[in-house]
Amino acid sequence: SYELTQPPSVSVSPGQTARITCSGDALPKQYAYWYQQKPGQAPVLVIYKDSERPSGIPERFSGSSSGTTVTLTISGVQAEDEADYYCQSADSSGTYGVFGGGTKLTVL
Amino acid sequence: EVQLVQSGAEVKKPGESLKISCKGSGYSFTSYWIGWVRQMPGKGLEWMGIIYPGDSDTRYSPSFQGQVTISADKSISTAYLQWSSLKASDTAMYYCARLREMYNTPDAFDIWGQGTMVTVSS
Repeated sequence: SYELTQPPSVSVSPGQTARITCSGDALPKQYAYWYQQKPGQAPVLVIYKDSERPSGIPERFSGSSSGTTVTLTISGVQAEDEADYYCQSADSSGTYGVFGGGTKLTVL
Repeated sequence: EVQLVQSGAEVKKPGESLKISCKGSGYSFTSYWIGWVRQMPGKGLEWMGIIYPGDSDTRYSPSFQGQVTISADKSISTAYLQWSSLKASDTAMYYCARLREMYNTPDAFDIWGQGTMVTVSS
């Protein structure tokens, strides 16, 4: 079945920019979504339709898409951004969804 | 307030059956797809399947097709995830979540339940 690939970990210092990538063959056809999950909590949607930000999500979170790769960018990373981040999309026909394996963001 | 409230934690033995629930409130339950996501201990999120309560149209991930059953009772605004014979490998946190736009799939999950921990052990 369809898979999305993320790096297992990304580390940045406070105030720097973190970029988390997600690759998948169907990404040119299907939108990507990004979630933040902190320990013991349910995931929170931070980006939808590749680059749209839900209300209440800080402007430092942004998304972009290029071919088979989508990227979540967190500008001016803060300590509170330390979390696991997951991309999600759908198979090429849009029948079922899939999550990437997740990326642990560490704020040094 | 839009919210999804899930049933409580369960401890079951291998081979037993189980049905967990997710009750929606604060929105038109029949107009939004609702789905289930598995998270095994220390692992990532897995998309299991979704249901449209308006007509019970259901879509499953190939990984979960035939392993679980997703259903909904629109009269009480509740979705369900069901197993007929649990295995130890079903031990996980299970989240229900609502798709973002009315009628639309595929889409993002914008509202999440608090999760139901299922433990399967002899």
